[in-house]
Amino acid sequence: DAGVTQSPTHLIKTRGQHVTLRCSPISGHKSVSWYQQVLGQGPQFIFQYYEKEERGRGNFPDRFSARQFPNYSSELNVNALLLGDSALYLCASSSISGRRAYEQYFGPGTRLTVT
Amino acid sequence: GDSVTQMEGPVTLSEEAFLTINCTYTATGYPSLFWYVQYPGEGLQLLLKATKADDKGSNKGFEATYRKETTSFHLEKGSVQVSDSAVYFCALRSGNTGKLIFGQGTTLQVKP
Repeated sequence: DAGVTQSPTHLIKTRGQHVTLRCSPISGHKSVSWYQQVLGQGPQFIFQYYEKEERGRGNFPDRFSARQFPNYSSELNVNALLLGDSALYLCASSSISGRRAYEQYFGPGTRLTVT
Repeated sequence: GDSVTQMEGPVTLSEEAFLTINCTYTATGYPSLFWYVQYPGEGLQLLLKATKADDKGSNKGFEATYRKETTSFHLEKGSVQVSDSAVYFCALRSGNTGKLIFGQGTTLQVKP
């Protein structure tokens, strides 16, 4: 079975631009969460979505937004990019029922560099 | 708020040495606890988990026991290999959410 997939793998943007990152969950998983991992630190929770609704939000500014589609894939959008947004963006999916409910499986990430 | 603290790295060991990576947590209620591993250039892989006090999670020779009295979840392995070189993250989840709270990570380097 395919794992969580993310695109693109790498991205270079300029300050002030916006970016869209994409994530496809494991088949059967209805929940998608997004994390930001700055170099040398642990991942920080940004959003969780399931059933196309936001179910949780971390301490990130309104420049960060996301959505989930009927096929459970998700997009993370970041507007007005800052240098400090340079990070690895990780997507994780999980089921919402059963023995492994909310057990997060991570994709390989998108490396965003803001110059 | 909830938090996770890991021992600082890097940890450098010789092959076949015993490994301990300390992890302590602060949380209200009874969180689930996890260890994730991140190999260079890759995303995070779930290594093991424990969902209640005194549970022992184990996988690939690694194990960790959920100690409520000391709020700890230390990772151990009896004999490390070069292929275990990676960054290890301790994490907690409170309730039925997708929100994991991670420690800062501990880099393990195993030398032949």
